[in-house]
Amino acid sequence: DAGITQSPRYKITETGRQVTLMCHQTWSHSYMFWYRQDLGHGLRLIYYSAAADITDKGEVPDGYVVSRSKTENFPLTLESATRSQTSVYFCASSESRFLVTDTQYFGPGTRLTVL
Amino acid sequence: RKEVEQDPGPFNVPEGATVAFNCTYSNSASQSFFWYRQDCRKEPKLLMSVYSSGNEDGRFTAQLNRASQYISLLIRDSKLSDSATYLCAVFPSGGGADGLTFGKGTHLIIQP
Repeated sequence: DAGITQSPRYKITETGRQVTLMCHQTWSHSYMFWYRQDLGHGLRLIYYSAAADITDKGEVPDGYVVSRSKTENFPLTLESATRSQTSVYFCASSESRFLVTDTQYFGPGTRLTVL
Repeated sequence: RKEVEQDPGPFNVPEGATVAFNCTYSNSASQSFFWYRQDCRKEPKLLMSVYSSGNEDGRFTAQLNRASQYISLLIRDSKLSDSATYLCAVFPSGGGADGLTFGKGTHLIIQP
């Protein structure tokens, strides 16, 4: 039971480079989310997706692009990485959208450093 | 006022004690409330959903106070393994973020 996985787990890149973070879930959950977690800010929603080919912006979408061609995958791309995008990125999935009876599962995270 | 606020702590509590923390939220229309636990450098894991009538799971009790707009988490008979950061999450937050809004977390340290 793989659950939700992220790759890579650690990434160091340089300013201006394009970086793609992968997220894969095996539960066929409809909803998938990308968060970033920074000291002093907590977890913030970047983008989310309600189903394949349906995506929407969260609180901090600038500088990021997402796609969802298949239900199980939700890659996050930094088109031109900046130092301010150094963070821990968590992918999450859930069957529904924040129903109190539902559970949102998080992946293990990707630690991204932009030099 | 921030949308979801928590006391960052740390709360230093002796093993076996009872500890409680609150989380306040600004949007009176918020519908769903959750407590997550996050261990150092790990992903958040759902600890409890918070129901209107309150709910209990073993040593953990969650309460919702809509009138004062806060949720609480009570941990009884605390264990060393309870040391972690506890995040509250609210939906919707009303701040324009169309998803779960998390507090910054309360850091709990259980001391032997």
